[in-house]
Amino acid sequence: DADVTQTPRNRITKTGKRIMLECSQTKGHDRMYWYRQDPGLGLRLIYYSFDVKDINKGEISDGYSVSRQAQAKFSLSLESAIPNQTALYFCATSDRTSGGANEQFFGPGTRLTVL
Amino acid sequence: SQKIEQNSEALNIQEGKTATLTCNYTNYSPAYLQWYRQDPGRGPVFLLLIRENEKEKRKERLKVTFDTTLKQSLFHITASQPADSATYLCALDVKAAGNKLTFGGGTRVLVKP
Repeated sequence: DADVTQTPRNRITKTGKRIMLECSQTKGHDRMYWYRQDPGLGLRLIYYSFDVKDINKGEISDGYSVSRQAQAKFSLSLESAIPNQTALYFCATSDRTSGGANEQFFGPGTRLTVL
Repeated sequence: SQKIEQNSEALNIQEGKTATLTCNYTNYSPAYLQWYRQDPGRGPVFLLLIRENEKEKRKERLKVTFDTTLKQSLFHITASQPADSATYLCALDVKAAGNKLTFGGGTRVLVKP
């Protein structure tokens, strides 16, 4: 079974709808991240959480919110989806290592289309 | 503003040759630099990490260099194979930014048999 899973894998929705993307991990990692990827722009950090009680905004948090329900679960919500939120969304995890080096493990991604 | 640049043009290379990718950055003082591989429709996969006090790191056919004076990392794939065809992303881990990664846009590599 995959260590980092995302649901749904694909979603088409309409402008104004509320959408939740879910991420679960079995790696036992404290740190979890949400990124979006757009062609030519690479991965941009939306939110990150270094433990269950720690939630931080990333580079592009406007229009998004998150919930860290447990160490293993980190959800991303779009309260009112808009077309420019059409993108590929990735969840990632990393361990809390000494010295701060943090190789990240990515999920398979959710392709979201907002019409 | 802070910037990470990778060549956005695809790199076409003949099988057996060495592919060299660049990652340039400005206005960062990274503690670590990482390289990831991403196949179409899949999440990135970690390849190598190099620390600010390291000049070079190797793993099998992969070699990474890190020049903090030039603010550049080079990523080499030696004896390239068609299976190496993918997009390669560099990512900086900046101490002052709470040890989270900032990614470049990636360079696509196509190895032709």
